[in-house]
Amino acid sequence: QKEVEQNSGPLSVPEGAIASLNCTYSDRVSQSFFWYRQYSGKSPELIMSIYSNGDKEDGRFTAQLNKASQYVSLLIRDSQPSDSATYLCAVSSSSNTGKLIFGQGTTLQVKP
Amino acid sequence: DVKVTQSSRYLVKRTGEKVFLECVQDMDHENMFWYRQDPGLGLRLIYFSYDVKMKEKGDIPEGYSVSREKKERFSLILESASTNQTSMYLCASSLFAGAQKTQYFGPGTRLLVL
Repeated sequence: QKEVEQNSGPLSVPEGAIASLNCTYSDRVSQSFFWYRQYSGKSPELIMSIYSNGDKEDGRFTAQLNKASQYVSLLIRDSQPSDSATYLCAVSSSSNTGKLIFGQGTTLQVKP
Repeated sequence: DVKVTQSSRYLVKRTGEKVFLECVQDMDHENMFWYRQDPGLGLRLIYFSYDVKMKEKGDIPEGYSVSREKKERFSLILESASTNQTSMYLCASSLFAGAQKTQYFGPGTRLLVL
């Protein structure tokens, strides 16, 4: 079983819709959770971080964390073609080293 | 803003050459990381360093070594480049302490080994 699992997609949504990206993780001790966006040929850039159960909103983005279910998600409201990218979920390693465990990413396509 | 820079965006080398990839961060971060990213395989950790002269192997260290002589600089060395080391190489840095372990990435180096 992979430590951080994401559906590779592609996830296709029409412009203006809500895109829902999901991630599950295996290490119950993980405390920090991140969503990165990666455009083709570019490096990952941080979109959201979340550390406690519940929702965290930042503009059109909402991260949701449920530690009991070992599940973290990212909602993108009013999706735009410029949101088309690969979204990487990352979870802190249980070892206190600063390592993150990355999922393989979900490719999102927003169609005009 | 955190800034992580990498010495080259694109690099072409021949099989057997020694290759140096350099990464510099300007935020006094303790942790620095080297990843490679290949289609279908995601981000794979090669090495990381949590302090000057300290290093730990990641998931795929074979064929690579690293050097961290100064806090802001972390070098990845391919001792004898091989074609299967053709990849995108990404450097990242983060603070050591606390729950926040946000990693900030450099722009990446796309390496082609012929």
